[in-house]
Amino acid sequence: QSALTQPRSVSGSPGQSVTISCTGTSSDVGGYDFVSWYQQHPGKAPKLMIYDVNKRPSGVPDRFSGSKSGNTASLTISGLQAEDEADYYCCSYAGSYTFIVFGGGTKLTVL
Amino acid sequence: QLQLQESGPGLVKPSETLSLTCTVSGDSIRSSSYYWGWIRQPPGKGLEWIGSIHYSGSSYYNPSLKSRLTISIDTSKSQFSLKLSSVTAADTAVYYCARVGYSPIVKDMDVWGQGTTVTVSS
Repeated sequence: QSALTQPRSVSGSPGQSVTISCTGTSSDVGGYDFVSWYQQHPGKAPKLMIYDVNKRPSGVPDRFSGSKSGNTASLTISGLQAEDEADYYCCSYAGSYTFIVFGGGTKLTVL
Repeated sequence: QLQLQESGPGLVKPSETLSLTCTVSGDSIRSSSYYWGWIRQPPGKGLEWIGSIHYSGSSYYNPSLKSRLTISIDTSKSQFSLKLSSVTAADTAVYYCARVGYSPIVKDMDVWGQGTTVTVSS
């Protein structure tokens, strides 16, 4: 069982927006502004899409945005495109004993 | 352009030690701003952070693996390594190495290797 809880799957049509939630506790998501999101296509390595809750690395489209409220972080993808279909994982710093925890992953289907 | 490449045996027998190496190219492994880490993904499952190390030797381990885990770094070879002892079938996974952001705690992983599959089986 993963430390952070994500929905197993979400879906949306091209052009629509989808939001993926990531629920933790005050010891991880809620306690630090160090939430990151990763996109993983089948058979490929994960790719960093969002870091520090809402920052985008160079080269990541601004269709991807992150936010946090309390113990829940969210990744929103607007203007869905076929290539966005992938698995998405959230990740958070979790203190000086556990350090880093991941969510169980969410499969995004573009209809 | 920074690149990371994992290497090591693809098959390990139960109770033996899994050993992997990650070779860093295109940038210095001796950066104070980054740690270097290992992450694994069992077949069909999610990601699990294993541990991270700084070129200074400072390291952080997943507490659930700590008793079996050693991560080391060789700056002269631009490599860092993972050793996981007493492996079982539950350690079968794709193992990734990655550069880990640090400010001043380990947080995100911005550059990843392609991953290497390790199967634990007799």
